[in-house]
Amino acid sequence: EDKVVQSPLSLVVHEGDTVTLNCSYEVTNFRSLLWYKQEKKAPTFLFMLTSSGIEKKSGRLSSILDKKELSSILNITATQTGDSAIYLCVLPQGAQKLVFGQGTRLTINP
Amino acid sequence: DGGITQSPKYLFRKEGQNVTLSCEQNLNHDAMYWYRQDPGQGLRLIYYSQIVNDFQKGDIAEGYSVSREKKESFPLTVTSAQKNPTAFYLCASLLRPGQPQHFGDGTRLSIL
Repeated sequence: EDKVVQSPLSLVVHEGDTVTLNCSYEVTNFRSLLWYKQEKKAPTFLFMLTSSGIEKKSGRLSSILDKKELSSILNITATQTGDSAIYLCVLPQGAQKLVFGQGTRLTINP
Repeated sequence: DGGITQSPKYLFRKEGQNVTLSCEQNLNHDAMYWYRQDPGQGLRLIYYSQIVNDFQKGDIAEGYSVSREKKESFPLTVTSAQKNPTAFYLCASLLRPGQPQHFGDGTRLSIL
């Protein structure tokens, strides 16, 4: 059965800290791995990773995939209170479905 | 602006009542999805539809029903058979496989 596991489930840090969120997976036929950020409402797309070892970067956020270890990390540097959210790791399953991890709830305290 | 609109934002259900959650998209996406999110859990797939007049059960379809009469619309009915309906419901759409899904802002359903 395809599975996505995120860790930690919850993380509380101070503004300015750097955080690393983890995602490990087991899927039958790997296509890609996606990261989403969910604040109060709709998850918003952050990154899609398909190739191992290539870092995707957007401002203070970056992510990298390790296909050998079946994992990905999401890094956030110089965190701000606006980074507080649930971060979801997601893998496509088949042509149309997605498998979601439990999410990591990140809280940034001022 | 293109997007997905879910309504209502908040919904209360009485015992024995069926309620319907609306999801409309103007992105011209073929595929649409309904997910349920409970605290501390990821999103779980209820139903999905790849094309008009066709839909498939997801992982937790019991107690729910859907229809797809128009490309733009994919309403979800939470029936009285769903004994634990309190959750956050998210609708999503997809242009083609391999692309990220787009999500609506969700409907929070509670029991009175």
